[in-house]
Amino acid sequence: ETGVTQSPTHLIKTRGQQVTLRCSSQSGHNTVSWYQQALGQGPQFIFQYYREEENGRGNFPPRFSGLQFPNYSSELNVNALELDDSALYLCASSKTTGDRTEAFFGQGTRLTVV
Amino acid sequence: QKEVEQNSGPLSVPEGAIASLNCTYSDRGSQSFFWYRQYSGKSPELIMSIYSNGDKEDGRFTAQLNKASQYVSLLIRDSQPSDSATYLCAVRSNDYKLSFGAGTTVTVRA
Repeated sequence: ETGVTQSPTHLIKTRGQQVTLRCSSQSGHNTVSWYQQALGQGPQFIFQYYREEENGRGNFPPRFSGLQFPNYSSELNVNALELDDSALYLCASSKTTGDRTEAFFGQGTRLTVV
Repeated sequence: QKEVEQNSGPLSVPEGAIASLNCTYSDRGSQSFFWYRQYSGKSPELIMSIYSNGDKEDGRFTAQLNKASQYVSLLIRDSQPSDSATYLCAVRSNDYKLSFGAGTTVTVRA
């Protein structure tokens, strides 16, 4: 167990709808990042939050947005869902010691868009 | 060119054998390298981190890093059926982003 909790674990949405995924980071970790993993591929970086500010973003359109709260929990919002958004969405919280940062993943949310 | 490339699988090894996984990366400025294990239907689990050239051993796992060749590998000694999973190589090239390979699926035959 990594101490990173995501909800819900599974979700089915209709094309065009909006979805919010949630993540509670591990205690003491102030950085949260989100990844999308399509079937048979490695995770792709969506964005990262540090102390409630977005400080890095991957190649995803603006309809992917997020928030981080004072307790370091986070949300991923996706608007105008498309069929290709069907994937496993992973939240990772990071711990930095000196110049070394390790990321630990939650169990993921499986999103299916129909 | 992909940022992180792994040897294509699947890799099938007999129980007790050594499984060898390879990974190359394109950003010469990369500083941190990781191996994650992902069981089918589950999320990635961090099993090894390596930051300096050379070998790092942890139980039956050995990670090897060669920054000059932009190459990182993972050896699994005395492979067990429970090692059957997809292994993801990840590279951190700046302050935030982890870049992952597509993964190599390992099957350990009993």
